[in-house]
Amino acid sequence: NAGVTQTPKFQVLKTGQSMTLQCAQDMNHNSMYWYRQDPGMGLRLIYYSASEGTTDKGEVPNGYNVSRLNKREFSLRLESAAPSQTSVYFCASSERLAGDHNEQFFGPGTRLTVL
Amino acid sequence: DAKTTQPPSMDCAEGRAANLPCNHSTISGNEYVYWYRQIHSQGPQYIIHGLKNNETNEMASLIITEDRKSSTLILPHATLRDTAVYYCIPSTSGTYKYIFGTGTRLKVLA
Repeated sequence: NAGVTQTPKFQVLKTGQSMTLQCAQDMNHNSMYWYRQDPGMGLRLIYYSASEGTTDKGEVPNGYNVSRLNKREFSLRLESAAPSQTSVYFCASSERLAGDHNEQFFGPGTRLTVL
Repeated sequence: DAKTTQPPSMDCAEGRAANLPCNHSTISGNEYVYWYRQIHSQGPQYIIHGLKNNETNEMASLIITEDRKSSTLILPHATLRDTAVYYCIPSTSGTYKYIFGTGTRLKVLA
């Protein structure tokens, strides 16, 4: 099992450009998440998808859109990148949203720089 | 959501037990305490979680005080590979919410 994979690993954008970060998981998990991590900070939730066909905002959704393409894939789109979106982006998945245990499995991250 | 307080950094000698404290005095009755760690800039990795009772798995032990206002993660025999940032995260059962603080940067010294 590859677990959670993210592409690309690194990206440099100019202000105003758009791009889509891709995430896929092969663990048959229902729930998927997008986080960002700024230097020296903890992770902050951008959007999540409790199950295929649903998406909801997290703590910091402004400037982003998401698509749950199917059960495996969850993409994050920056329509008009801004320098404030320079960050490391992590995708995660978990077995289910509700229930006793919600261990999240994280991908390796995408390092995005917006000039 | 409960707020957490963790020391920003700690050192531990290799082979010794690392005890990482977390204060979560505002935790509610249905909030579990999760611990994750992040090695270098990799994605966080789950370690352990608990509600009221102490828990142990192959990686660590979790001690939760009786009033649930604080907990301690114990790595019984720290190795250099345990050098990481450790996050204590209260999370309500049935929700997606993980609030990551800034964690404790543990450095294991040879």
